[in-house]
Amino acid sequence: DQQVKQNSPSLSVQEGRISILNCDYTNSMFDYFLWYKKYPAEGPTFLISISSIKDKNEDGRFTVFLNKSAKHLSLHIVPSQPGDSAVYFCAASVLNSGNTPLVFGKGTRLSVIA
Amino acid sequence: NAGVMQNPRHLVRRRGQEARLRCSPMKGHSHVYWYRQLPEEGLKFMVYLQKENIIDESGMPKERFSAEFPKEGPSILRIQQVVRGDSAAYFCASSQLPGTSEVNEQFFGPGTRLTVL
Repeated sequence: DQQVKQNSPSLSVQEGRISILNCDYTNSMFDYFLWYKKYPAEGPTFLISISSIKDKNEDGRFTVFLNKSAKHLSLHIVPSQPGDSAVYFCAASVLNSGNTPLVFGKGTRLSVIA
Repeated sequence: NAGVMQNPRHLVRRRGQEARLRCSPMKGHSHVYWYRQLPEEGLKFMVYLQKENIIDESGMPKERFSAEFPKEGPSILRIQQVVRGDSAAYFCASSQLPGTSEVNEQFFGPGTRLTVL
């Protein structure tokens, strides 16, 4: 039973345009969400996070939006660059319980075409 | 750069042998997590440890798998009598003590790719 779902296995975007990666979750206890970026043969790298008390968090070209009622979050990358091509994982945790393990989605492979 | 270190990066074992995967957390981090990634899948939690303590092992298979994080030295994930289905990438992550940061951010190592022949 997948608690965190990334329904698009892949996404292609032209350089300079916006990339939108989506993530849905089922567990209403989740209160902290993270996006990780992963290149082949490397470990995931933390990108951006959002707490459930917010609905938006921005860091440079990356913005994460959270819609708690829909149990949906999205990562926007604008403008997209070829170096953004990687697999993006959405992850969720129950922050109020302390350092709990992360629950990951299956990932979305983003290809940014020059 | 005192990031999370994992070794070996690649490990090949024959069926029935033992695999030992090592993880050194980031400096100042006392929490270690092990995750497994099967091909075309996301990362799946296996076990969460602090020094000399297993906090949560709900994701560990009941048999053949064990983990430790001794007072001195790296965390070890041990797989006994490996089978082909154990072939995967095993990632270790570390984080700070709870309460020292509002961010439940885990920093990942580069992973160990285990291949069972």
